[in-house]
Amino acid sequence: DTGVSQDPRHKITKRGQNVTFRCDPISEHNRLYWYRQTLGQGPEFLTYFQNEAQLEKSRLLSDRFSAERPKGSFSTLEIQRTEQGDSAMYLCASSLTPGGANTGELFFGEGSRLTVL
Amino acid sequence: GESVGLHLPTLSVQEGDNSIINCAYSNSASDYFIWYKQESGKGPQFIIDIRSNMDKRQGQRVTVLLNKTVKHLSLQIAATQPGDSAVYFCAEPNFGNEKLTFGTGTRLTIIP
Repeated sequence: DTGVSQDPRHKITKRGQNVTFRCDPISEHNRLYWYRQTLGQGPEFLTYFQNEAQLEKSRLLSDRFSAERPKGSFSTLEIQRTEQGDSAMYLCASSLTPGGANTGELFFGEGSRLTVL
Repeated sequence: GESVGLHLPTLSVQEGDNSIINCAYSNSASDYFIWYKQESGKGPQFIIDIRSNMDKRQGQRVTVLLNKTVKHLSLQIAATQPGDSAVYFCAEPNFGNEKLTFGTGTRLTIIP
């Protein structure tokens, strides 16, 4: 399967613990995005990378959230000191933007569902 | 702020019938819209897009209509099949084309 893969698919943690999610994008894609989705809502943009550069992170929900893409390939999203309100599906997506052309076609993974007790 | 949203949270359609899912947007300067489909337990999947220089665009069994006068777009699915059951989102780029803003979605249920 050469799609976007996310790990773990499900994570249950206690409030106050740190969690980390990993995303492996489609290999030739230069852009990688993180979204959060709560029940009954559409995905909400968090941050994105072009190669290893994080070009937009103002939408990260708080300073407890951080993301990295150290070698321009896989990415991690870390949530420190989790709160119950962090419970959600965390979606990763990737895209290829040849020649600077932008389209809305993002390729999403199946998500990592976080439950904070 | 600017927003994009859907009219109905749920829609049930008999298998084989056509379905229409509607979406309204608030930013008159919006020039690009995308429809995504999200099946249960999966991430959203791109269906079709349309730019503001078009009123209509067709794909395989799907048609998107854009009415810029009333800031409305719709997704029409012809001859619906059980596999069409999903949540459908309209989305538009904000802060640059990289950052999509999704509506709240319409859950389409196909009745056998």
